[in-house]
Amino acid sequence: GDSVTQTEGLVTVTEGLPVKLNCTYQTTYLTIAFFWYVQYLNEAPQVLLKSSTDNKRTEHQGFHATLHKSSSSFHLQKSSAQLSDSALYYCALSPNSNNRIFFGDGTQLVVKP
Amino acid sequence: GGIITQTPKFLIGQEGQKLTLKCQQNFNHDTMYWYRQDSGKGLRLIYYSITENDLQKGDLSEGYDASREKKSSFSLTVTSAQKNEMAVFLCASSAGTANTEVFFGKGTRLTVV
Repeated sequence: GDSVTQTEGLVTVTEGLPVKLNCTYQTTYLTIAFFWYVQYLNEAPQVLLKSSTDNKRTEHQGFHATLHKSSSSFHLQKSSAQLSDSALYYCALSPNSNNRIFFGDGTQLVVKP
Repeated sequence: GGIITQTPKFLIGQEGQKLTLKCQQNFNHDTMYWYRQDSGKGLRLIYYSITENDLQKGDLSEGYDASREKKSSFSLTVTSAQKNEMAVFLCASSAGTANTEVFFGKGTRLTVV
C-alpha cells in the first residue's frame, strides 16, 4: 500500500548548524504530489513546501527539498537552523487521482541555542 | 484567504459519553477531512468526504461517525468516549484536485475522564 516514512521522531540541532529531516515513501500511484507541512506549537499544520517534479529543488523560507523518485525520497533540509524553526514537521504524499493524503508520523525539530 | 473553524477548542467528556466535534470552512472546498493527532503517531485519517452527503472511511473510523450536512460543514462524533483518552482532532479541507494542499483547523483537544 501507500505510505510515508519519517525515520526520526525527534531531531535536535544547534542554532546555525544544518539540519536534515528524512522522508521516504512507497506508492502505487504514478502521478503524485509531495508536501512538507510544519506545525508550530498550538497552531494548525500548514504547507511549507510542495513538489511533483522529479529531481527539481523546491525552496521556501530557507528550507529546501528535492523529490528523487529513483530513491523514493523527499528529504527536507536547511543550511542554518534558527530557533524559530522548532516545530513538528510532516511529510505527505497526495496521489493526483484521488482525495487521500498520506502523512508520515512527523518529526519534532528542536533547535537549541 | 479562508479559514477553518473547529468547535469546541477543548472538550472534556466522561467515559461512554457520545461527543460531537464540529468544523466549518469558508474556502468553498469540496473535500473535508477529520484526523486524529496523537503524540508520536502522526496524523491518522478518521473520515473524509469529497462532497456534500458523501462519507469515506479512513484508517481509524471505528468508534466514530461523521456527517457532511452541507459543503461548508463536517462534524465528527465519538460514539463512546474511552476513559483516559486524550487526543487532538484536526479538521481539514482541500479543493481535492491535483497538487492542491490541505488546509487545517487548529483542532479540538479531547480529554476523557
